[in-house]
Amino acid sequence: AQSVTQLGSHVSVSEGALVLLRCNYSSSVPPYLFWYVQYPNQGLQLLLKYTSAATLVKGINGFEAEFKKSETSFHLTKPSAHMSDAAEYFCAVSAPGAGSYQLTFGKGTKLSVIP
Amino acid sequence: EADIYQTPRYLVIGTGKKITLECSQTMGHDKMYWYQQDPGMELHLIHYSYGVNSTEKGDLSSESTVSRIRTEHFPLTLESARPSHTSQYLCASSEEGAYNSPLHFGNGTRLTVT
Repeated sequence: AQSVTQLGSHVSVSEGALVLLRCNYSSSVPPYLFWYVQYPNQGLQLLLKYTSAATLVKGINGFEAEFKKSETSFHLTKPSAHMSDAAEYFCAVSAPGAGSYQLTFGKGTKLSVIP
Repeated sequence: EADIYQTPRYLVIGTGKKITLECSQTMGHDKMYWYQQDPGMELHLIHYSYGVNSTEKGDLSSESTVSRIRTEHFPLTLESARPSHTSQYLCASSEEGAYNSPLHFGNGTRLTVT
């Protein structure tokens, strides 16, 4: 079984400040990890994914995430927040062999960017 | 630009009515999914399909049903809507299995049952 915990349902940052969204996972086998973003009134879109290659993964819109096995974490960061980054962000985990539909999402973190 | 389309975007309907939420994709993906999304909650998988004439229930029990007669079309039906069905429904597709292949989502249907 796998699970995801996103710390903080709401995060506010000033424009230009560092964005850090936290995600911890639990998986009985080496996981695949994803970050998705949802803008208001839209579906989710993939930001980045980790599939056991490089531990630092770069995604779209300047976001990146680092897989840390010892901490079971996959936190999302961006050096400088833009107003357009305001959205809800979802971390998700899957495990090979768990069934190809087995993607478990976290509850989401809503990011607000203050001008 | 979305390659997966959901209609209607918003639906307000009375208790007991039959409804069908439409989902179509133009990417030729075999795998398609329906998720239910409520504020502050995880997305929950309610149905999925690996291809034509293949449908399975997901990890969240749902009174809805689905069909997959054509690759590009994956409608969801509620025979008798109830207020507990009020939610946002997201359709998605993927080229490979969801465990390692990105999901492409539609913009969702927000259903309100009065």
